Amino acid sequence: DADVTQTPRNRITKTGKRIMLECSQTKGHDRMYWYRQDPGLGLRLIYYSFDVKDINKGEISDGYSVSRQAQAKFSLSLESAIPNQTALYFCATSGREGWDNEQFFGPGTRLTVL
Amino acid sequence: DAKTTQPNSMESNEEEPVHLPCNHSTISGTDYIHWYRQLPSQGPEYVIHGLTSNVNNRMASLAIAEDRKSSTLILHRATLRDAAVYYCILSPNAGNMLTFGGGTRLMVKP
Repeated sequence: DADVTQTPRNRITKTGKRIMLECSQTKGHDRMYWYRQDPGLGLRLIYYSFDVKDINKGEISDGYSVSRQAQAKFSLSLESAIPNQTALYFCATSGREGWDNEQFFGPGTRLTVL
Repeated sequence: DAKTTQPNSMESNEEEPVHLPCNHSTISGTDYIHWYRQLPSQGPEYVIHGLTSNVNNRMASLAIAEDRKSSTLILHRATLRDAAVYYCILSPNAGNMLTFGGGTRLMVKP
């Protein structure tokens, strides 16, 4: 089983709809992240959480919100989806700061907003 | 934030070594150098990271210039599975805050 899973893998929605993307991890990591990737570009950080009670905005948090329901679960919500939020969304996890805290990424969710 | 500069694309022949360069002239003393790669239709995966000394692992080697203003990711024998976008990233700590740039698209020819 994959260590970091994302649901759904693909989603098409309409402008103005609320949508939630979910991320679960079995790595026992404290730290979780949400990124978006636009075609041909690198990833940009939306939100990150260093533990269940800690939520921080990333580079592009406007129009998004998150919920850290448990150590293993981190959800990303689009309150009112708009077409320029069409992108590939990745969840990632990492352990505490240290020498071996590489980030582990999920397979991504492809979101299309019509 | 310190930025990195990478070539947009590179080509290599299968089973030959590949040297992927990265310039980071504004790197600070506490910035770690990370490399991730993204295979087609997948999330990024960690390759290697370092601070000052050269590093080796099972996937690759990282050569860091003495002044730390540049680094090179070395794939010792490219395979077709190594075709991916390779990202060189600076992070002010050992890896928690990553800012991805455009990366280098590596194409491997049989």
